[in-house]
Amino acid sequence: GQQVMQIPQYQHVQEGEDFTTYCNSSTTLSNIQWYKQRPGGHPVFLIQLVKSGEVKKQKRLTFQFGEAKKNSSLHITATQTTDVGTYFCAGPKDSNYQLIWGAGTKLIIKP
Amino acid sequence: GAGVSQSPRYKVAKRGQDVALRCDPISGHVSLFWYQQALGQGPEFLTYFQNEAQLDKSGLPSDRFFAERPEGSVSTLKIQRTQQEDSAVYLCASSLVTSKGFMAYEQYFGPGTRLTVT
Repeated sequence: GQQVMQIPQYQHVQEGEDFTTYCNSSTTLSNIQWYKQRPGGHPVFLIQLVKSGEVKKQKRLTFQFGEAKKNSSLHITATQTTDVGTYFCAGPKDSNYQLIWGAGTKLIIKP
Repeated sequence: GAGVSQSPRYKVAKRGQDVALRCDPISGHVSLFWYQQALGQGPEFLTYFQNEAQLDKSGLPSDRFFAERPEGSVSTLKIQRTQQEDSAVYLCASSLVTSKGFMAYEQYFGPGTRLTVT
């Protein structure tokens, strides 16, 4: 069945270092969404990418959607403690209303 | 309210008890989703409502799980005869619409109900 894979599972960084998470779908996606879940919290929508090759920026966060619309990435420049949490990508299933979620990448800031 | 609310936030049930989890979506949101999230995992789809109609219940793990949204707003997820493997966070999300063309709209999540079955 349709799968969305996300790597790495964890990333430990020093504050100020960059962070990247990668998302790969087994099928072509019409769009991809990114969510952030803080420890003990719930997923919060960050952004949606629709177009092939699309790049969107939100302050220190850069989101990319691959040319084939099967992969995506989230890059955070100069991480801060407020960035701590798990970042999920999610793509619509064939039905379009149901999202298939990646397992998430947990960003951990080293003390 | 401004967001999706869920109650209770925490529920401890003894194995075999029935539980009912409530979700109050954002006013006017047509779509409502229930998810199960295990520790360290992404949300797993359980069921989907469009207004009062349950259009997809393919993710419900067994016939002990039942969901309803009788008036197209508040929804209840009921689990009968709870088992230890039911322990998880149950998330509710709502969305303004389901899709426009091929786009799935962003979902707004409630804080979740953490269910612990002892």
